[in-house]
Parts: sequence; C-alpha cells; structure tokens
Amino acid sequence: EAQVTQNPRYLITVTGKKLTVTCSQNMNHEYMSWYRQDPGLGLRQIYYSMNVEVTDKGDVPEGYKVSRKEKRNFPLILESPSPNQTSLYFCASRPPGGTQYFGPGTRLLVL
Amino acid sequence: AQKVTQAQTEISVVEKEDVTLDCVYETRDTTYYLFWYKQPPSGELVFLIRRNSFDEQNEISGRYSWNFQKSTSSFNFTITASQVVDSAVYFCALSDGGAIIQGAQKLVFGQGTRLTINP
Repeated sequence: EAQVTQNPRYLITVTGKKLTVTCSQNMNHEYMSWYRQDPGLGLRQIYYSMNVEVTDKGDVPEGYKVSRKEKRNFPLILESPSPNQTSLYFCASRPPGGTQYFGPGTRLLVL
Repeated sequence: AQKVTQAQTEISVVEKEDVTLDCVYETRDTTYYLFWYKQPPSGELVFLIRRNSFDEQNEISGRYSWNFQKSTSSFNFTITASQVVDSAVYFCALSDGGAIIQGAQKLVFGQGTRLTINP
C-alpha cells in the first residue's frame, strides 16, 4: 500500500530534550516536506526536500533541522524543543508534478 | 505573496442541508493550482481535489462540487445533502505552478473551516 508513515504519532517531551520525528514513504517520491498545523493558522511549511541531500527552508524553519540521506526518509529534528513547538506535524511526499500525499500526523507536546 | 483566506471559521448545519465552504486566494502567478483537503476528527489529511488555473470548469464528484471563478479569485466547495460523516475541518490550499515544475510545491493553506453536521 502506497503510504507516508510518521513516528511517533504522539509525543510528550520537556523543553530542551532533543527529539526526532521520522517520516518514510514507499512511493519512490523525490519531493518531501514537513508542515506544522496550529489552530487558526492552517498548515505552514517547515522544510522541504527536492531529492537526496537537497533540502531548503520553508516558511517556519526556526528551531528545526532536517536531513535527506535516503530517498524514502525525511526526519524532522528538534535539537532543543520549546513549548511554542507544541503542534501537529505532517510529513508529505509527492511525485514530480503530482499531488502531495500526507502522513497521519504527529502530535507533539513540549512541556 | 500567496495567500488563502477561508473566512468561515466554523459552520454548523443539520443533516441533509446543502453547505458551501468559501475559499478566496491571492497570487500573482498566472499558473497555479488549487486544492481542497478534508481533515476528519481522526486527524489525517485527505486529498479531495486539485484544479489548475487554466481549467475553470466546475467539478462534481457525488455530493461534492467545486466552483472555480478566476474573476473573483474564489474556489468554493459545496456539499449537497450533507451527512454526519462530512463533519471535519476542510482546508483550501494554493500552490504556484512554477514551484511544481521546480519541485518545491509549497502548499499555502487557508486557516480551515470546521464543519459540523448535526443529525
């Protein structure tokens, strides 16, 4: 089944404790993105990647890092999480010219 | 800059009523794409439709229909004979065509409209 998977789905952590949210797609898509969803703001892009080792900032990259060492994986790294990064995070992938497929989302609470 | 506005924060109707969700967009691009996504209570994002800026034909899919009007920069979504299962948050989104070709395809989302269908 074609899908985008994210782990963990739910995470509660404390300020400053490094965490990684994994994202994997099995559709051989070149393009992947991370978004965060906040009430009243819709979804905003954090980072995107157009291929292996090619990443760039989206609209709200501060406090986040990404890497793309393999085509299928695009982890989101929070080196020192803060409470304002409490949010619902979505990973997405798409083929060239195609529509984005979204992962199931990761709910993060930073205390 | 691109912008999507969904002025209706919340809508509540009784089952079987028709309901229209508004979406107004801003872009300077001549080639762009418009999308609607559904987010049910379970939280995932479900793709509903993609429309490019050169295709102004209205689209109908079962009880769902979309009205794209470039003259008013609107891409409204109508659910006919609504059902309780239609209850969700609906997002309208915009992407410029150049970004799709280049690969970035950042989707700019509206704030979302929470639709509640009451039995």
